[in-house]
Amino acid sequence: AQSVTQLDSHVSVSEGTPVLLRCNYSSSYSPSLFWYVQHPNKGLQLLLKYTSAATLVKGINGFEAEFKKSETSFHLTKPSAHMSDAAEYFCVVTPTGFQKLVFGTGTRLLVSP
Amino acid sequence: EPEVTQTPSHQVTQMGQEVILRCVPISNHLYFYWYRQILGQKVEFLVSFYNNEISEKSEIFDDQFSVERPDGSNFTLKIRSTKLEDSAMYFCASTNSYSNQPQHFGDGTRLSIL
Repeated sequence: AQSVTQLDSHVSVSEGTPVLLRCNYSSSYSPSLFWYVQHPNKGLQLLLKYTSAATLVKGINGFEAEFKKSETSFHLTKPSAHMSDAAEYFCVVTPTGFQKLVFGTGTRLLVSP
Repeated sequence: EPEVTQTPSHQVTQMGQEVILRCVPISNHLYFYWYRQILGQKVEFLVSFYNNEISEKSEIFDDQFSVERPDGSNFTLKIRSTKLEDSAMYFCASTNSYSNQPQHFGDGTRLSIL
């Protein structure tokens, strides 16, 4: 069975500083991994996806994530936070894209001026 | 960019009543899903639907729930007799193939059971 663990429920950064949101996954075989973002009262927007191609994945809005099989991690990073990045971020795993998504508990990113 | 649309955005219903949540998936997509998110909890899978039948369902998706694709564009989730614990945000998603394409989500319907 697949699962993901998001190691921080809240992360606070100042605008212009780097962002690191941590995710570890568990999967019995090579998974597909995603990061989704949810802004208040909005749906889930795909930030980026890993599907066994390049291990460093670039997404929208300057976010990227690195798949590390040896560490079973898929951490999300951004070099410089913007106020508009404040949202809930979900790490998601699935055996294939068309099967059910398994969500982590989410990390709320707070960005202060 | 094409979107998944969900209606209504907010539904308030008395306990025991039937409710239908509606979704219009992206037009060339073939796989459809419902997820829910109870306030303060994580997003949970309910059901997946392909080729006019359920392909997988979770233990949450009991006999009170049903899904339907009544025409070529809509995908609905029906809850027959709502309970207080059905209060949640319900998300519809769709994707167009099984080659690891991501699922695209709607903005959700907030269901409040009184």
